[in-house]
Amino acid sequence: QSVLTQPPSASGTPGQRVTISCSGSSSNIGSNYVYWYQQLPGTAPKLLIYRNNQRPSGVPDRFSGSKSGTSASLAISGLRSEDEADYYCAAWDDSLSAVVFGGGTKLTVL
Amino acid sequence: EVQLVESGGVVVQPGGSLRLSCAASGFTFDDYTMHWVRQAPGKGLEWVSLISWDGGSTYYADSVKGRFTISRDNSKNSLYLQMNSLRTEDTALYYCAKDIGNHYGFDYWGQGTLVTVSS
Repeated sequence: QSVLTQPPSASGTPGQRVTISCSGSSSNIGSNYVYWYQQLPGTAPKLLIYRNNQRPSGVPDRFSGSKSGTSASLAISGLRSEDEADYYCAAWDDSLSAVVFGGGTKLTVL
Repeated sequence: EVQLVESGGVVVQPGGSLRLSCAASGFTFDDYTMHWVRQAPGKGLEWVSLISWDGGSTYYADSVKGRFTISRDNSKNSLYLQMNSLRTEDTALYYCAKDIGNHYGFDYWGQGTLVTVSS
């Protein structure tokens, strides 16, 4: 059971907008930055969003992050086949003194 | 170009020990906190441990506390994970990851080294 809660799966058709939610608590998302990672099949994870809503250079602006209270969301607009991957949210947890991850969301592009 | 190269993963028996290494290059190693993150086969990501830039602060996941020890050698640009009392549930791909800047996010990851705990 992960500390952060994500839906196990999401899907959309090319060109659609998809959102992935991440729910936590006051000790993690509520008081610390949220990060999002993309893991393509058979590869290492890659940083997608940092500090709630910032994109590293090279990440398309189709990807956006937001945070409100103890929840966060990743939005992907203009969905493309190459976006098919697992997506993870993460944050520091002050109570656990640990980085906590969501269980991951498998995105399927139909 | 930032590079993180893990090594040391092997097949080990339950109760055994192992030391993983991560060779870092392309950035000023001793400026950054470093992490180990693992992924069991077919499962999600699990943070394992972190060490501050100078080795003065370390944190561990409850699942490994008391069994694993993280360390670093800044003169060799290297990160280590000493793993003792290994259990079958420690079987995973172990990634070395660079902290984005004391905010506990990971901006660079290695390709991982596979640890299999099996009799």
